[in-house]
Amino acid sequence: GDSVTQMEGPVTLSEEAFLTINCTYTATGYPSLFWYVQYPGEGLQLLLKATKADDKGSNKGFEATYRKETTSFHLEKGSVQVSDSAVYFCALSVEHGNKLVFGAGTILRVKS
Amino acid sequence: GAVVSQHPSWVICKSGTSVKIECRSLDFQATTMFWYRQFPKQSLMLMATSNEGSKATYEQGVEKDKFLINHASLTLSTLTVTSAHPEDSSFYICSARVGGASQFFGPGTRLTVL
Repeated sequence: GDSVTQMEGPVTLSEEAFLTINCTYTATGYPSLFWYVQYPGEGLQLLLKATKADDKGSNKGFEATYRKETTSFHLEKGSVQVSDSAVYFCALSVEHGNKLVFGAGTILRVKS
Repeated sequence: GAVVSQHPSWVICKSGTSVKIECRSLDFQATTMFWYRQFPKQSLMLMATSNEGSKATYEQGVEKDKFLINHASLTLSTLTVTSAHPEDSSFYICSARVGGASQFFGPGTRLTVL
């Protein structure tokens, strides 16, 4: 079945450090890929998405590129801030807008 | 932006009782709502998909008589956990969307069954 695997956390970084959170997927069909972020006490928010191979999603300084050859969608940010501390979820959908399959989530902690 | 609320944000109940969780889309009409369950340090698992005015579609392994879903209007869906037991303790999250657009998530409800 469809599944998403992302690196275990927590990931602890100093402010302005480079961030990578790895995400790989297994899917039947041709999925859309997403990164969601959950700040403390809030609901999941869509951070970025990509719908086809080689697409790059970007938002708020975060980027992720849809790599079909490696079935990956790694999240990167060049310089993290304390306000980026949150839980990040990688997800896929093989039916656009429907049935999201989530990874386990990665806690990011950024220290000042 | 689109806001989805859940009520209550947390609930503690005795084993054998039923608990109702509400999910509301505050500033848009949701044609479809989704209910997820999240265990500690695990991913969100889709429980069911509900469309306004029709019966919910449950994922494999989810007991429909245990988790009753009612999507009575375009802005409200409810999840009732019937005869709750300690193993039902979890974090329940809803999401809503319009048409084929992205899902907007509620903040979740923490259920603890004693």
